[in-house]
Amino acid sequence: EAGVAQSPRYKIIEKRQSVAFWCNPISGHATLYWYQQILGQGPKLLIQFQNNGVVDDSQLPKDRFSAERLKGVDSTLKIQPAKLEDSAVYLCASNPTSGRGYEQYFGPGTRLTVT
Amino acid sequence: GEDVEQSLFLSVREGDSSVINCTYTDSSSTYLYWYKQEPGAGLQLLTYIFSNMDMKQDQRLTVLLNKKDKHLSLRIADTQTGDSAIYFCAESIAGGFKTIFGAGTRLFVKA
Repeated sequence: EAGVAQSPRYKIIEKRQSVAFWCNPISGHATLYWYQQILGQGPKLLIQFQNNGVVDDSQLPKDRFSAERLKGVDSTLKIQPAKLEDSAVYLCASNPTSGRGYEQYFGPGTRLTVT
Repeated sequence: GEDVEQSLFLSVREGDSSVINCTYTDSSSTYLYWYKQEPGAGLQLLTYIFSNMDMKQDQRLTVLLNKKDKHLSLRIADTQTGDSAIYFCAESIAGGFKTIFGAGTRLFVKA
């Protein structure tokens, strides 16, 4: 079974530029998460999808971050415009259930550096 | 509020046991987890425990849960150099729909 795929693995941009990350969850997984992991910290949930609907986006900075999950499969996370404090690893995870507990399967992450 | 706290570093010798500790604040946690993160990789679930259990053993891993003190620990027996990684404690709250992660404990294993 293929794991959660993310691209790109690394991205360096200047502040005020835009960037997009892509995630392909494990086939059949209904729930998809985007996390932000700042160096030295644990992952912080940005947004959670159940199929193609948003379950929780309470910690997503909506003035600059957006995410979508068309057709309930792949997802993209966009930052526009980027700030220095957005430098982090962006992790995508998926879960086969409705999201209640259970294991989350993580991708390798995209490391974003904003200069 | 929702908070999970862990010590930042632990160093052990190969063959010794490692004990990583965690405290959490939400008494309504349904599951508690230990995830492992190796360099350049995402998190991988090591083990989890239901909130109505006190202990769970899985090969070299032993999880102890003290619900009264909101304290979770992970013991790794016969620690190997391959166990060097960051270990994250996490709790699921909001009926299991949300997971809160600690900052992670970096385990160094000396040969």
